[in-house]
Amino acid sequence: NAGVTQTPKFQVLKTGQSMTLQCAQDMNHEYMSWYRQDPGMGLRLIHYSVGAGITDQGEVPNGYNVSRSTTEDFPLRLLSAAPSQTSVYFCASSYSTGSNEKLFFGSGTQLSVL
Amino acid sequence: SQKIEQNSEALNIQEGKTATLTCNYTNYSPAYLQWYRQDPGRGPVFLLLIRENEKEKRKERLKVTFDTTLKQSLFHITASQPADSATYLCAPWDNYGQNFVFGPGTRLSVLP
Repeated sequence: NAGVTQTPKFQVLKTGQSMTLQCAQDMNHEYMSWYRQDPGMGLRLIHYSVGAGITDQGEVPNGYNVSRSTTEDFPLRLLSAAPSQTSVYFCASSYSTGSNEKLFFGSGTQLSVL
Repeated sequence: SQKIEQNSEALNIQEGKTATLTCNYTNYSPAYLQWYRQDPGRGPVFLLLIRENEKEKRKERLKVTFDTTLKQSLFHITASQPADSATYLCAPWDNYGQNFVFGPGTRLSVLP
């Protein structure tokens, strides 16, 4: 059982380049989300989805796009990378949305924008 | 604005002692709070969830308390071991945003 799988693990981009961070889960979870983690700031929510075809913005959505065409996949797109987007990105999922649900995290993508 | 603080960036304790980590939150009133463990280069792993009416919850050597008056949660690891060394994150539930909001974490080192 793979859980939450993120690819790639590491990525270096030049300013202005675009890329997609992939996230897939095999637990049939309805809720999926993307976080970024920066030193001293904790995990900050970028975008989330409560089911296929439904997405919403989190705390720091600017510069990122998401879509959810299937239950399993939730890719995060950087349209024009900026140095401020250098961070570690985590995808997470849970069975449903709600305060009673624990999150399952992927192993992260370390992104550097030069 | 909402703010979550965890007592210190790093905490060193001796093996066998009890580690106590603090999570303070301001400007909101979560009905639930979670604690996660994060190892270097890995994603966080869920440990415990506590509800506002539970006051205290235990799981093996772990104990969590939740004081809604003080707006504080304490996370205890008894009989600590070097394998407990990790970063611990608290995550109170945001009723408005309907998501868990994460604190910056405390890096715990248990020295043999």
